Amino acid sequence: DFVLTQFPESLAVSLGERATINCKSSRRLSYTSNHNSYLAWYQQKPGQPLRLLITWTSTRESGVPARFLGSGSGTDFTLTITTLQPEDVAVYFCQQYYGTPPTFGQGTKVEVK
Amino acid sequence: QVQLEQSGAAVRRPGASVKISCKTSGYSFATYHVNWVRQATGQRPEWMGWVNPDGDGTAYAQTFRGRVTMTSNISISTAYMELTGLTPDDTGLYFCARGLSLGWFDPWGQGTLVTVSS
Repeated sequence: DFVLTQFPESLAVSLGERATINCKSSRRLSYTSNHNSYLAWYQQKPGQPLRLLITWTSTRESGVPARFLGSGSGTDFTLTITTLQPEDVAVYFCQQYYGTPPTFGQGTKVEVK
Repeated sequence: QVQLEQSGAAVRRPGASVKISCKTSGYSFATYHVNWVRQATGQRPEWMGWVNPDGDGTAYAQTFRGRVTMTSNISISTAYMELTGLTPDDTGLYFCARGLSLGWFDPWGQGTLVTVSS
């Protein structure tokens, strides 16, 4: 299975500041370096299901604010919240869909400092 | 809009089984797979498998093979997941989510809490 490791496990950021979440895969998530990587990002607030934010490493879903940026390639990926808002307090998960079974990272909890 | 509505919470004894429903609306049911994902408290989500309503094909994660059955009823746009031989380790939130045979999951049902306790 593809193992996804997120770090940090939690972070506290001041409102308006940048939050950076990392996701490292045990194996490459693309066929070549020129192809998009098969990685998605989700947001989960307490008591709620996961909400899809980004697919193909960096493609934002409709309605997702532009402050959410996905980047990376190969085995290393990043979700950046450029200016943290109160409603961004949540746990964020990465998910690979390059190989079966699809797998998730362990999550990163984002809080307001 | 696309919606997935799951059945309510369930409490079971060890050794029992549970069957959860996932009623969909807002899209063509046969066009997408319905995936099932389990999330224990404070843990990462774990993919369990999918059912393809167009033909009732299924795929199950190795962890659950032999204990899980996923079905669908295309006439009422509803998918089901039954898990047998429950143990306390099966306690958690169970989600259905629209997807493909391999891809991302969107949207998700609200989740069904299953508690296994003697």
